[in-house]
Amino acid sequence: AQSVTQLDSHVSVSEGTPVLLRCNYSSSYSPSLFWYVQHPNKGLQLLLKYTSAATLVKGINGFEAEFKKSETSFHLTKPSAHMSDAAEYFCVVSDTGGGNKLTFGTGTQLKVEL
Amino acid sequence: GAGVSQSPRYKVAKRGQDVALRCDPISGHVSLFWYQQALGQGPEFLTYFQNEAQLDKSGLPSDRFFAERPEGSVSTLKIQRTQQEDSAVYLCASSRTSGGTYEQYFGPGTRLTVT
Repeated sequence: AQSVTQLDSHVSVSEGTPVLLRCNYSSSYSPSLFWYVQHPNKGLQLLLKYTSAATLVKGINGFEAEFKKSETSFHLTKPSAHMSDAAEYFCVVSDTGGGNKLTFGTGTQLKVEL
Repeated sequence: GAGVSQSPRYKVAKRGQDVALRCDPISGHVSLFWYQQALGQGPEFLTYFQNEAQLDKSGLPSDRFFAERPEGSVSTLKIQRTQQEDSAVYLCASSRTSGGTYEQYFGPGTRLTVT
C-alpha cells in the first residue's frame, strides 16, 4: 500500500527566508511523487513531480524537491519565500506513475509573514 | 485553453436528498478521476474512468455513491439519500492518458453541504 506522511500541519516563515515542507512516503514499488499546491478557493495545481529520473526536481515558482530513497523522503524547499506562496501544500504518491489514483498527504498550511 | 470545470460550485442538500455533481474534463483527456476532500484533510480517491470504462471504484464509500461517464467525456457523480458525513468538497481531475507520468489537472471542486 502507498502512503505519504506530511510531518508538519502548519509552517510559518518570514518573507525572504527559506521554506522547508517535509514529506515521507511509503510505497511497495518505485514511486512517483508529486507536490501540489492549493490556494484558497482555487483548484489544485501541480508544483513538481518525481518519476525516477533526476533525484533533484525543479518545479514552478522556484520550488524544488529532492527524492531520497534511503530516507524515504521527498521534502519541498524554496530558497526565499514570497507572500504569494501562502497556501496549502500536499505531498502525493502514485505507484503507477501518476496515471492512476493519487494518494494525498494531510497537507501543510504555509503561512508567510512580513 | 479551458481547464476542468465542475458544476455546481456549491450545493446545499437536505439529508436524504439525492444530488448530482457534474465534471467537464479537458477536451481529449482519456482519464477522469473523482476525489473527496473533507474539511482540513487531503483529497481521497473515489473512482477512476478510462474513456467510458470505470476501471476502479474502490474508493466509493458506500453504494449510495454512483459515478458514470457514458460517452467518455462528461462525468456525473451521484449521491443518493445524502447524509451529513457526505459534506465535503468533491474534486474532479483529468489527464491525457493512464499510465506514465501524465499530470492530473484538477477542477475547482463542488462544495457539498448536507443539512
